Amino acid sequence: KAGVTQTPRYLIKTRGQQVTLSCSPISGHRSVSWYQQTPGQGLQFLFEYFSETQRNKGNFPGRFSGRQFSNSRSEMNVSTLELGDSALYLCASRGERGAITDTQYFGPGTRLTVL
Amino acid sequence: AQKVTQAQTEISVVEKEDVTLDCVYETRDTTYYLFWYKQPPSGELVFLIRRNSFDEQNEISGRYSWNFQKSTSSFNFTITASQVVDSAVYFCALISGGYQKVTFGTGTKLQVIP
Repeated sequence: KAGVTQTPRYLIKTRGQQVTLSCSPISGHRSVSWYQQTPGQGLQFLFEYFSETQRNKGNFPGRFSGRQFSNSRSEMNVSTLELGDSALYLCASRGERGAITDTQYFGPGTRLTVL
Repeated sequence: AQKVTQAQTEISVVEKEDVTLDCVYETRDTTYYLFWYKQPPSGELVFLIRRNSFDEQNEISGRYSWNFQKSTSSFNFTITASQVVDSAVYFCALISGGYQKVTFGTGTKLQVIP
């Protein structure tokens, strides 16, 4: 099976702009989670979608949003970008059952730079 | 709440040396799962192992081994005869049914010097 794919791999934006990142899970996986990774804060959980519904969310402002489509592909949107949003954004999908305790498999990430 | 502590921020070893990465966790749940991931410079987190709280057997996979001890809430990872390709950041993670979110440690950066 193909792994988790994320597009684009690299992105440069300016403050105030908005950005949309895409994630395609492993075939058959219905759960997609998003994480933000920065040198200062480490890996932080953004939110998780399962069968097109947000199942869980972390402590991020409303500028961060997401959605999931019927084919399990997910998008993450960040509006009104701030310098502090510069990070590696990682997407992960879970097994076919989508149970919270299932192993997560990660994509290569999207590196976002905000100027 | 739950917590994962990886006290070692960076470790440097010479190739062929053995190295142990420490992971200490906290959770109030009796059922939980522990994971180790490897993050090479490319950025992708690579899954290494998953262990549930009811299985305290140690695991060996090639040069990798894991020691899970509930008595000390630790899940340590040992690389035997390290190689340059082992250079990466290693993350320990925890999830429990009660907390519903994965908690990652801050990672240990391993540098294997040829």
